[in-house]
Amino acid sequence: GAVVSQHPSWVICKSGTSVKIECRSLDFQATTMFWYRQFPKQSLMLMATSNEGSKATYEQGVEKDKFLINHASLTLSTLTVTSAHPEDSSFYICSARSGGNEQFFGPGTRLTVL
Amino acid sequence: DAKTTQPTSMDCAEGRAANLPCNHSTISGNEYVYWYRQIHSQGPQYIIHGLKNNETNEMASLIITEDRKSSTLILPHATLRDTAVYYCIVRVGRGGATNKLIFGTGTLLAVQP
Repeated sequence: GAVVSQHPSWVICKSGTSVKIECRSLDFQATTMFWYRQFPKQSLMLMATSNEGSKATYEQGVEKDKFLINHASLTLSTLTVTSAHPEDSSFYICSARSGGNEQFFGPGTRLTVL
Repeated sequence: DAKTTQPTSMDCAEGRAANLPCNHSTISGNEYVYWYRQIHSQGPQYIIHGLKNNETNEMASLIITEDRKSSTLILPHATLRDTAVYYCIVRVGRGGATNKLIFGTGTLLAVQP
């Protein structure tokens, strides 16, 4: 299957700082990327859908000003957690959809906010 | 997207077939059944998907009932590395802003030595 990478794989930051997570589709172009969040022992929760060149669509209850998403190219989407707080500590996973409509997931980024 | 219902957990002996059920009684005619799995602290991995017919690939087989209200994922010879949470998801096959993978709680499959 196609490869999706995320960087960094883990990050620890101080409360109040911003953290940027990158998601790249390495061997295909992804017109649509998705961002998920997963808390311990819970399922993945979809946060937003990102389309290249346009604004992201956020799921209900997800603050767009706190979780900034940029999908500047067909192979890169970024998620910035602004003014992070301990409750934002989570496993963030991106996914990219290929032209064949298959959806591939990145390995995830573990964010810990102190 | 239609909701799915899966058992919370299942055990399977190593080397035996693992049969994971999924109910999707409100599935629409244009919705596919997808299976993904997530090994601890990793991103989900695509396994298989189907619409009406049974499907098989190198990882697993997917059996969909004739009325499409339920399906079963079969891992023919489970190994310890197959221990993971298995998610059954129904989704419209193509296009559209609502074409999203929405994860339920999944089934934790524990393969026992």
